This record gives sequence, C-alpha cells and structure tokens, in this order.
Amino acid sequence: AQSVTQLGSHVSVSEGALVLLRCNYSSSVPPYLFWYVQYPNQGLQLLLKYTSAATLVKGINGFEAEFKKSETSFHLTKPSAHMSDAAEYFCAVSSSNYKLTFGKGTLLTVNP
Amino acid sequence: KAGVTQTPRYLIKTRGQQVTLSCSPISGHRSVSWYQQTPGQGLQFLFEYFSETQRNKGNFPGRFSGRQFSNSRSEMNVSTLELGDSALYLCASSKSGRPNYEQYFGPGTRLTVT
Repeated sequence: AQSVTQLGSHVSVSEGALVLLRCNYSSSVPPYLFWYVQYPNQGLQLLLKYTSAATLVKGINGFEAEFKKSETSFHLTKPSAHMSDAAEYFCAVSSSNYKLTFGKGTLLTVNP
Repeated sequence: KAGVTQTPRYLIKTRGQQVTLSCSPISGHRSVSWYQQTPGQGLQFLFEYFSETQRNKGNFPGRFSGRQFSNSRSEMNVSTLELGDSALYLCASSKSGRPNYEQYFGPGTRLTVT
C-alpha cells in the first residue's frame, strides 16, 4: 500500500521568505509523485509532478520539488513567498491501481 | 482547451434523499476519477472509470455508485444520504489514468446534507 505524510498541517511564512512544505511517501514500487494546490472554494491545481526523469522538478508559480529516494521525501520549495501563494497544498502518490493517494494537506499562510 | 466541469456546483439535500453529480472531462481524456474531500478525512478516492468500465473503487459503502458514458462524461450517485456525506466531491480526468499521467481536477460540487 502507498501512503503520504505531510509534516505540518499549517505553515506560516513572511512575504519574501523561503517556503518549505514537507512530504514523505511510502511506496513498494518506484513512485510517481505530485504536488497540488487548492485555493478556497476551488478544485485542485497541479503544481508539479515527478515521474523519474529528473530528481529536481520545476513547477508553476516558481515552485520546485526534489525527489530524494534515500529519504523517501518530495519536499516542495519556493525561494520567495508571495501573498498569492496562501492556499492549501497537497502531496500525492500515484499507484498502479488508477488512484491518487493524498496527504492530509498543509495550509500555507503568508504574512505581509 | 476547456477544463474539467462539474455540475451542479452546490447542492443542499435532506437525509434519506439521493443525489446525482455530473462531471465532464477534458476533451480527449478517457479516465475519470472521483474523490470526496472532508475536513476530517481529507481527500479520499471513490472510484475510477475508463472507457465506461470501473477499474478501481475506494472503501465507501454501496450507497456510492458511479458510471461513465461513451463520451467519457461521468456521473456519481449517492443514495439514502446521511449527514456524514456532506463534503466537496471532486472529479478528475486523465488521458489514461496510468500512474505517470497527471490528473486534472474540476472545481467540485459542494454537497450539504441536512
């Protein structure tokens, strides 16, 4: 079975500061990993995905994530937070049985 | 290209009633998945369809059912509604549903059961 753990249900940063959202996964096979963002009253928007082509993955809106097999991690980062980044972020792992397994989510607050 | 659309966006139903939610995938996408999102349980997988066939089903009671039509549009039905069914129901489409293909989500249907 596959699972995702997101450390920290709530992360608060100042505008312009580094954003680091943590994700650890468990998978019995090489994983496909995704980060999604959800703004209030909206669906999920894909930020980036890892499919084994490169360990450092760049996504939209200046976000990137690094796949570290030895640490079973796929942390999401952004060098400089913007007020518009305030949202909930979900890490997910894809399985061979046609479903995404999500973490519990991390709510990002950006303070002016 | 138009995104995933879901109708209706909001629903209020009474316990014991049934409800049908609709999802239109991105053009050319043949896989449609449904997820339930609640504050307590987070995002949970309901089922996935491809070419009108259900390939996987999550751990939900039989009151939850779905189907997919030949044009890839999908519906999900919840019968005998319970208060705990109040949630945001999200539909996602993918070209194939294979693990390395990303899923694109619709805006969701907010179901409130009173």
